[in-house]
Amino acid sequence: DTGVSQDPRHKITKRGQNVTFRCDPISEHNRLYWYRQTLGQGPEFLTYFQNEAQLEKSRLLSDRFSAERPKGSFSTLEIQRTEQGDSAMYLCASIHRDRGTDTQYFGPGTRLTVL
Amino acid sequence: SQQGEEDPQALSIQEGENATMNCSYKTSINNLQWYRQNSGRGLVHLILIRSNEREKHSGRLRVTLDTSKKSSSLLITASRAADTASYFCATHFSNSGYALNFGKGTSLLVTP
Repeated sequence: DTGVSQDPRHKITKRGQNVTFRCDPISEHNRLYWYRQTLGQGPEFLTYFQNEAQLEKSRLLSDRFSAERPKGSFSTLEIQRTEQGDSAMYLCASIHRDRGTDTQYFGPGTRLTVL
Repeated sequence: SQQGEEDPQALSIQEGENATMNCSYKTSINNLQWYRQNSGRGLVHLILIRSNEREKHSGRLRVTLDTSKKSSSLLITASRAADTASYFCATHFSNSGYALNFGKGTSLLVTP
């Protein structure tokens, strides 16, 4: 257990439905990242937050994706109008960047299956 | 695009043997990290090696880094069945707030 939790662990939904995932980072960590991992691939960066500010989104984050970190603590990732291509593992990670460490702590992931 | 390329993609060994996996990357780095992932779960950080280091040890792990060849290797000595997992190398994006750029990973199977 790294101290980062994600909920739910598994989500099955039908195409066109909206889904929302939650990530609770390690409490004092000021930076939070979202990644997506498809089968047989390494994780790919989606977006990151410094406290409550979303500072970057990758080109993988289409308009149907939105992420928030309202109080600089937990974060949510919402996918609207899901497509089968959204089926993947969604991972979040956190780090206390000001401590000069580069080690990210990952949650267990949310596995999304879009039927 | 993904930065690193691990080699081999899959590796099968018996308990007690050593496992070596390699990673190549494309751009200059400040450090390179190795992570382990067990059967579709989250990633666990194993070891970080800085660009001015050539070798680093942690328990049964040995990591080397050759910045001239833009490559790194991870050696697991005296492997155990519990080492069965996917192993990923990762470097940082030059921007994107130190987000990690992962390779595709090596899937290691250690049989008793």
